[in-house]
Amino acid sequence: NAGVTQTPKFRVLKTGQSMTLLCAQDMNHEYMYWYRQDPGMGLRLIHYSVGEGTTAKGEVPDGYNVSRLKKQNFLLGLESAAPSQTSVYFCASSYSGAALDTQYFGPGTRLTVL
Amino acid sequence: GNSVTQMEGPVTLSEEAFLTINCTYTATGYPSLFWYVQYPGEGLQLLLKATKADDKGSNKGFEATYRKETTSFHLEKGSVQVSDSAVYFCALGNNAGNMLTFGGGTRLMVKP
Repeated sequence: NAGVTQTPKFRVLKTGQSMTLLCAQDMNHEYMYWYRQDPGMGLRLIHYSVGEGTTAKGEVPDGYNVSRLKKQNFLLGLESAAPSQTSVYFCASSYSGAALDTQYFGPGTRLTVL
Repeated sequence: GNSVTQMEGPVTLSEEAFLTINCTYTATGYPSLFWYVQYPGEGLQLLLKATKADDKGSNKGFEATYRKETTSFHLEKGSVQVSDSAVYFCALGNNAGNMLTFGGGTRLMVKP
């Protein structure tokens, strides 16, 4: 049981390049989330999904797209990276909604945009 | 909207000292409250939670009580260890049950 895994762990992009971050969970969770973590700002929700085939915007969705084609995977895409997207990205999953349920986090992806 | 405010760190303590990390929140309705911990190089993991007023969450010697009258959820531990060195995040879950709002995090450093 691996829990929540993220690929890649580190990445450096040039401005304007695109990339996809992959999140996978093996706990059969319905809910999945993408956050970014910036110094002094805690974690901010980018997008989330309440089930296979669904996505919704979080607090800071601009510049990102997501897809949830399979229940166990949640992809985060950057179509045209900008230096402001330099951050640490965390994926999380939970069995049900955040108001009551524990979220399980992946180890993070450190992204630098030059 | 919802917001969470935590005391700024870093907090530096000697081993066996008493710990308090303050957390206050602004929210509509009756949110659930959480403390998450992030050890160096890792993702966040749930430390404790409380789902209604006056509930006390506890785990690994840490405690926090949901105080609706003061909109607070302060984290306490009676005797910290070096292994408690980490970043601690206070968070609240919205009533719709689909989003967490995090505070900015408080770094705790415990010296032997």
